[in-house]
Formats: sequence, structure tokens, C-alpha cells
Amino acid sequence: AQSVTQLDSQVPVFEEAPVELRCNYSSSVSVYLFWYVQYPNQGLQLLLKYLSGSTLVKGINGFEAEFNKSQTSFHLRKPSVHISDTAEYFCAVSELQQGGSEKLVFGKGTKLTVNP
Amino acid sequence: GAVVSQHPSRVICKSGTSVKIECRSLDFQATTMFWYRQFPKQSLMLMATSNEGSKATYEQGVEKDKFLINHASLTLSTLTVTSAHPEDSSFYICSAKRQGGIYGYTFGSGTRLTVV
Repeated sequence: AQSVTQLDSQVPVFEEAPVELRCNYSSSVSVYLFWYVQYPNQGLQLLLKYLSGSTLVKGINGFEAEFNKSQTSFHLRKPSVHISDTAEYFCAVSELQQGGSEKLVFGKGTKLTVNP
Repeated sequence: GAVVSQHPSRVICKSGTSVKIECRSLDFQATTMFWYRQFPKQSLMLMATSNEGSKATYEQGVEKDKFLINHASLTLSTLTVTSAHPEDSSFYICSAKRQGGIYGYTFGSGTRLTVV
């Protein structure tokens, strides 16, 4: 079974500083990776996804992530964060289930807090 | 864009009663819907996967008789928490996968259930 490890449970940064949220996954023949953001008491919003092709994926709100197969990582980055980026961020990998359907396996999440 | 409406956003119920949560895909047909449970400051735990017109597939440890899932149409899935107890209090989130879409998961905004 797939597993996702988000190495940092909390990441505090100052406004306009760069940030990297780390994510590692268990290896697989093929993998599809996602980053989601969750604001308090809300559902999840897709930031970006990697399916194939270029290893550098650009998403919404200025975020990007790089797929590194050899290191089985998919770290999320933003060069300059805003107060409004304060939220919980989840890395996820798709996993095929018996019968051919698939499901998402989530990491434990990283709480990003942007301070003024 | 793909929109998933989840209702209600908040519900308080008495112990022993049942609560129904609806998840609707508003502008697309969802072949598969997923129900998650999220404990405070934790990740999403997949409870079950439902495909339109067939029985839901429950994850290990999830009580089928307690968490009834119905996926009667390509745009509607419901989760009914039967005989609710305080330990069922949690944040429940649904997700829908677009029919024919490539790894497109859209999440609802979640339901905060409080059992008193």
C-alpha cells in the first residue's frame, strides 16, 4: 500500500519569505501526486497535481512542486508567502484498489503559519 | 469548473438519533464518491468508496451498519450516521471523481457533526 510522509507537522514563516513543505511517498511503478490546501472548517482545494511529463508542476496561488522520482519526493514551494497562505497543506498519492478503482492516500498534513 | 456541494455544513444532534449528510456534484457526473472523516488537527481518513448503483466499499475498521452510504445517482451520494454517539463527532468530507476525468477529485466543503 502507498504511504505519504509529510516531514513537518508545523512550519512557521514570516510574510514574504520563501517556504518549502516536504512530502515523501512510498515508491511505486507509476504514481500520481497531489497537493491540497485546507482552510479552517472547509474542504480541500487542489493546489496542483503531477500526472506525468515535466517534473516541475505549477499550481494556483503561486505554488509549485517538483517531482523527484529518485528521492520519491514531491516538495511544495512558494518563493514569497502571504498571510493568506496560512492553512493546512496535505500531500496525497493515488493508489489503485482491487477492482481497478483508485483512492487518494493522504499525508498527515503540514500546518503553515505565516506571521507578519 | 467542478463543484461539489456538501450539506449541511454544521449539524448538532442528540445521542441515539441519525443524521444524513448529502454530497452533490453540481456540474459534472461523478462515477465515484469518497467519504472521509477528519479528526481535529489530523489528516483525512477514508471511510468508504461508493460507485453509483452499487454497494459502497468500506475501509477496514469502519462499521457498515453505522455509516450507511447510498450513491443513488451520478450526482448524489449520502452518508447517514445511524444511532449517533458523541464519539462520532467529527468533520466529514466527501469527494467526487468526475466521470471520464483524469484524476480529478473535487472535495465538498465538509460537515461538522457534533453529537450531544
